[in-house]
Amino acid sequence: DAGVTQSPTHLIKTRGQQVTLRCSPISGHKSVSWYQQVLGQGPQFIFQYYEKEERGRGNFPDRFSARQFPNYSSELNVNALLLGDSALYLCASSLKGTAQETQYFGPGTRLLVL
Amino acid sequence: ILNVEQSPQSLHVQEGDSTNFTCSFPSSNFYALHWYRWETAKSPKALFVMTLNGDEKKKGRISATLNTKEGYSYLYIKGSQPEDSATYLCASPRAGGYNKLIFGAGTRLAVHP
Repeated sequence: DAGVTQSPTHLIKTRGQQVTLRCSPISGHKSVSWYQQVLGQGPQFIFQYYEKEERGRGNFPDRFSARQFPNYSSELNVNALLLGDSALYLCASSLKGTAQETQYFGPGTRLLVL
Repeated sequence: ILNVEQSPQSLHVQEGDSTNFTCSFPSSNFYALHWYRWETAKSPKALFVMTLNGDEKKKGRISATLNTKEGYSYLYIKGSQPEDSATYLCASPRAGGYNKLIFGAGTRLAVHP
C-alpha cells in the first residue's frame, strides 16, 4: 500500500500570495492532520480533520484554512503569505484520529516565501 | 510542565555506545505518548505509542519506558549504529483524546563510526 503522499514537494512563493498544499492519506484512513515544522523545532499542530469535519485547530491565524474531501484527501490553504510561513508542512493520517493511534506522516511540502 | 520537552538537544556518540534521551510531558489529562524517528530528507516514522504507566516497549535495539504519574519517558538505544543517526521526537496528544500531537523539539543523535 502507498504511504501518505503530499504535493508539491517544494514550493516558492512571494509575500502576499496564496498557496494550496495537498495530501492523500493511506487508503482506509479517515483522519488527516496538518503540522508546520520550522528549523530547530518540533512539528506544530495546525489542523485535524476526520470524516470531513474539523476536529481541532492549533494556534494559527485565520489565514490558514483546510478542508477534507469525500475521498479523505485534504488541502491546506494559506493566504497572504508572510516570510514567517516558510517551513516544512507535514500531513499525517490515521484510521480514526484518536490519541492512541499511530499517525503516519508524509514526506512534507517545503514552502519558501520570498 | 506545560509543554513537551526533550533533552538533550543533541548527542554525539561512538558506534557501539548505548545512549538514552528524556521526554517530559504534562502528566495531567494523559492519553498517550508517541515516539518518532526522523531521518534527514525522510518522513517521521513512528517507533512507539505508549499508553499505560510503567509501559515498556522494545523494537530491536531501541526501547522506551513510560512514567505517567511524573510525566516522563525514556528512549534507550543499545549499541548505537551509524544508521541510528536521526532526530528522535516525542509527542503527547492533547485536546480531548484526539491525536492533536504536541511535539517536543527533538533530540538529534549522531552516531560516529
